[in-house]
Amino acid sequence: DADVTQTPRNRITKTGKRIMLECSQTKGHDRMYWYRQDPGLGLRLIYYSFDVKDINKGEISDGYSVSRQAQAKFSLSLESAIPNQTALYFCATSDSYREGYNEQFFGPGTRLTVL
Amino acid sequence: KNQVEQSPQSLIILEGKNCTLQCNYTVSPFSNLRWYKQDTGRGPVSLTIMTFSENTKSNGRYTATLDADTKQSSLHITASQLSDSASYICVVMGGGSYIPTFGRGTSLIVHP
Repeated sequence: DADVTQTPRNRITKTGKRIMLECSQTKGHDRMYWYRQDPGLGLRLIYYSFDVKDINKGEISDGYSVSRQAQAKFSLSLESAIPNQTALYFCATSDSYREGYNEQFFGPGTRLTVL
Repeated sequence: KNQVEQSPQSLIILEGKNCTLQCNYTVSPFSNLRWYKQDTGRGPVSLTIMTFSENTKSNGRYTATLDADTKQSSLHITASQLSDSASYICVVMGGGSYIPTFGRGTSLIVHP
């Protein structure tokens, strides 16, 4: 079984709809991240969480919100989706106990299309 | 501002040939540098990590180098295979942040 899972894998929605992307991990990592990827722009950080009670904005948090329901679950919400939020979204985890190594483990991605 | 620049943006090579991808960074102080491989439609996977004291590290046909003085790294791929077709992302940790700085990646296409 995959260590980091994302649901749904693909989603098509309409402008103005609320949508939630979910991420679960079985790696036991304390840190979780949400990124979006657009062609030519690379991965950009939306939000990150270093433990259940910690939520931090990344470089492109406007229009998004997150919830860390448990150490293993981190959800990303688009309150009112707009077409320029069409992108590939990745969840990632890392382990603070391996601070010097900082390897991030990525989920398989969610392809979101906003019409 | 912490920045990571990668070149070239894209590269096309024939199967069996070698290639080198470049990464320049301004992140300071430096902690470590990772190269990730991202297959189309999948999440990135770490290939190698380099810390300040390391100049070269190999992972099979992949060899990464680091020059911490000039703040440059390279990823050399030897005897390329079709499966090497992917995006290669340079990620640098440091600059007083707990968040890594990502480059935009180099898209490599290997043709038969």
